[in-house]
Amino acid sequence: NAGVTQTPKFQVLKTGQSMTLQCAQDMNHNSMYWYRQDPGMGLRLIYYSASEGTTDKGEVPNGYNVSRLNKREFSLRLESAAPSQTSVYFCASSNIGTGGSTDYGYTFGSGTRLTVV
Amino acid sequence: DAKTTQPTSMDCAEGRAANLPCNHSTISGNEYVYWYRQIHSQGPQYIIHGLKNNETNEMASLIITEDRKSSTLILPHATLRDTAVYYCIVRVGAASKLTFGTGTRLQVTL
Repeated sequence: NAGVTQTPKFQVLKTGQSMTLQCAQDMNHNSMYWYRQDPGMGLRLIYYSASEGTTDKGEVPNGYNVSRLNKREFSLRLESAAPSQTSVYFCASSNIGTGGSTDYGYTFGSGTRLTVV
Repeated sequence: DAKTTQPTSMDCAEGRAANLPCNHSTISGNEYVYWYRQIHSQGPQYIIHGLKNNETNEMASLIITEDRKSSTLILPHATLRDTAVYYCIVRVGAASKLTFGTGTRLQVTL
C-alpha cells in the first residue's frame, strides 16, 4: 500500500544513547517532514526537507539532526537522547504545490513512540 | 501563517451532523484553510481544504464565510469512528509548513 513507513514503531533508550528514526515514502513526494507530539499537545515541526538535497530547521530542532538520503527517505537522528525527547514522532510527506485542487496535503506515517529513561 | 481558534471539545450524537467551527480572523488573501484529524494516537489524516469557495468531498464539507475570517467543517452523518481531534490550519499553499494547534476533540456518542 502506498504511504509513509516509519521504523521502529516503539523504542526505549537510555539517557545519552543515540538512535536514528527511519522514514520512507513511496508516493514520489518532493517534501518530507519530522514532527513530534507530546501528550495532550499538537504536533510540532522538528525539521523538514522541501526537496531532495535540502533540509531546514523547524520549530524545535535542538537535539536532532536529519538526513535526506534520497527522494524516498528522510531520517531523524538523536545523538544523545534526553528524557525531554520522550515523545511520539511522526514523519510526513507532501507534494504541496499551489494549494489548488490537486493539493492533497500531507500524508503521515503511523508514528514512532520513543521513551528515554 | 495565520493563527486559528477552535473550541477545545465538542460532542455529537451518532448519525447527526457534526459542525466544527474555526476562527481565522487574521487570514491573508493567499492562505488556504486545511482540516486534518487525528484518531487516537495515529498520524493525522487529511480531510479537506479550501481557499474561498465551499468544498465537499467524500469525507466532509468545508464552509468558508464570505470574509474568510471563519470556517466550519461539517461531517454530515457522524459515526463513532469519527471520534478524533480535528485540526484547522491556515497556510500559504506553496512550500509553507503545516503548523498544528491543539485542535477540537470531537466525541461522537450513541
